[in-house]
Amino acid sequence: KQEVTQIPAALSVPEGENLVLNCSFTDSAIYNLQWFRQDPGKGLTSLLLIQSSQREQTSGRLNASLDKSSGRSTLYIAASQPGDSATYLCAVEGNTPLVFGKGTRLSVIA
Amino acid sequence: DGGITQSPKYLFRKEGQNVTLSCEQNLNHDAMYWYRQDPGQGLRLIYYSQIVNDFQKGDIAEGYSVSREKKESFPLTVTSAQKNPTAFYLCASSIETGTYNEQFFGPGTRLTVL
Repeated sequence: KQEVTQIPAALSVPEGENLVLNCSFTDSAIYNLQWFRQDPGKGLTSLLLIQSSQREQTSGRLNASLDKSSGRSTLYIAASQPGDSATYLCAVEGNTPLVFGKGTRLSVIA
Repeated sequence: DGGITQSPKYLFRKEGQNVTLSCEQNLNHDAMYWYRQDPGQGLRLIYYSQIVNDFQKGDIAEGYSVSREKKESFPLTVTSAQKNPTAFYLCASSIETGTYNEQFFGPGTRLTVL
């Protein structure tokens, strides 16, 4: 059964810092990996989707990489801003619908 | 505006009552999903439907029921058999591309059992 782990569970950084969020998964037979952002009490916003044949995707200050063979993905956030404060969730799709990690709660301090 | 709507935003229920959560999408997506989120936890799949009049159980389907009579709608009923229904419920939809399946989420419904 697929399991997704996100490290760290929480992270606090000063504004302007570059940071990396980590996601690992146990079954490398995936179709895609998706990163989401969730603000408190809100739904999820899709940030990036990486297909299994891709190595990375970029959107603005965000860059997500995928190493399927080692079961790992990273989300890189450049020049962090207080508005980036949220919970970031990683999810993988294989033979079943998305399986989610528990998320990393990010606080960016002004 | 295209998107996914969930209603109500907040819902209160007495123990022993069934309650239905609404999810509607106008994105013309084929597949729809229901997830449950508890504090400090990731999302867990309750039910999903890839086509009208068909749906499959997820990891935690016990105590829940769904229907998919229209492509746009996928209501979730939380029955009295669900022992711990207080949670945040999220609906999602996706279009099947054949190669990937990007999911988009509604704003959620917070259910509290009194």
